[in-house]
Amino acid sequence: AQTVTQSQPEMSVQEAETVTLSCTYDTSESNYYLFWYKQPPSRQMILVIRQEAYKQQNATENRFSVNFQKAAKSFSLKISDSQLGDTAMYFCAFLATSGTYKYIFGTGTRLKVLA
Amino acid sequence: NAGVMQNPRHLVRRRGQEARLRCSPMKGHSHVYWYRQLPEEGLKFMVYLQKENIIDESGMPKERFSAEFPKEGPSILRIQQVVRGDSAAYFCASSPLASYNEQFFGPGTRLTVL
Repeated sequence: AQTVTQSQPEMSVQEAETVTLSCTYDTSESNYYLFWYKQPPSRQMILVIRQEAYKQQNATENRFSVNFQKAAKSFSLKISDSQLGDTAMYFCAFLATSGTYKYIFGTGTRLKVLA
Repeated sequence: NAGVMQNPRHLVRRRGQEARLRCSPMKGHSHVYWYRQLPEEGLKFMVYLQKENIIDESGMPKERFSAEFPKEGPSILRIQQVVRGDSAAYFCASSPLASYNEQFFGPGTRLTVL
């Protein structure tokens, strides 16, 4: 069975600074997707970034980038130039490409951006 | 193209009542997934349905919970005889294919059991 671990329950960062959120996972699958979702107080799940496991190149979306280490089963999210609107819960998620296609979520990291 | 719709957004029930949560997937999506988020926790998979079929219900509690996705109309998650521990946010997601590389989430239904 797959598991996703986020070891940082809470983090804070100064506005305009850079912060990295950690995520590790365990799986025996060879092909899968990894995601970072943002959940603001509205509770809407917002996709931040997605990584295909078969791609070695790290995904990037504007100020958001990942460090994907497949052998180490690590998938960290880096937020550059942090903005107040980045304050939210961040969830790491795993999706296998076979089986029943359900997301496995981590327990989340609460990020607070300080003015 | 409208996103995934869920209603109601907030639902209050007394212990012992029934709760019905509705989910309309995105247009063209025939795969629906339900997730539950308990307070201060991540989302946990409950059930995966295609039209008129339950594919995987391994995350559903054995009693009081049921789900359906009829040929016409929204997917329904039903909780009978609710208890305080059922208070949570319930999210629906949809995808066009089983093997699609993303699921699209609705805004969630927050259930409060008094």
